[in-house]
Amino acid sequence: DTEVTQTPKHLVMGMTNKKSLKCEQHMGHRAMYWYKQKAKKPPELMFVYSYEKLSINESVPSRFSPECPNSSLLNLHLHALQPEDSALYLCASSHATGDQPQHFGDGTRLSIL
Amino acid sequence: RKEVEQDPGPFNVPEGATVAFNCTYSNSASQSFFWYRQDCRKEPKLLMSVYSSGNEDGRFTAQLNRASQYISLLIRDSKLSDSATYLCVVNIGAAGNKLTFGGGTRVLVKP
Repeated sequence: DTEVTQTPKHLVMGMTNKKSLKCEQHMGHRAMYWYKQKAKKPPELMFVYSYEKLSINESVPSRFSPECPNSSLLNLHLHALQPEDSALYLCASSHATGDQPQHFGDGTRLSIL
Repeated sequence: RKEVEQDPGPFNVPEGATVAFNCTYSNSASQSFFWYRQDCRKEPKLLMSVYSSGNEDGRFTAQLNRASQYISLLIRDSKLSDSATYLCVVNIGAAGNKLTFGGGTRVLVKP
């Protein structure tokens, strides 16, 4: 069982829809992450939050909008996505120091019609 | 040159055999190293951190060679359940605890 919980597990949406992905952890981690993973590729970092503040945005298109309401929650708001955005979206968390491993949620599999 | 490189495999391993594979990294300032395993259509799961002195966890042994800039993973007495993609992950120490992933090494353990 993963200690990072993501909802929903699967999401199908049209290109004009607005939806949100949610991530929650209760391990006391102060760093949280969003990754995108395409089939047969490693995860690609999208955003990093450290102490609830956005610290890294890997030049992600503005149709993806992250939000960190508190130290346990991380959201990813989606709007006007493209078919190429279909992927597995993974949330991770870690202690905020630089030498700590990240723990991943089981992901949201997103399909854009 | 990629920052973190792995042989994609697949490594076809008879059950009970030993398999080992490496991962090279380009940034000599890299500070921490990890092996994750990922099963098909699942999330990456931390297998082990890799320490300078080398470390072992059951059938798994990880080594770090800073001089040659590579880490290795050795699996002894392979089980069918060890079939997975093994991701080499490096933290170069940049602000924000950013991890860089290798492309993964696929291991198939066969009876």
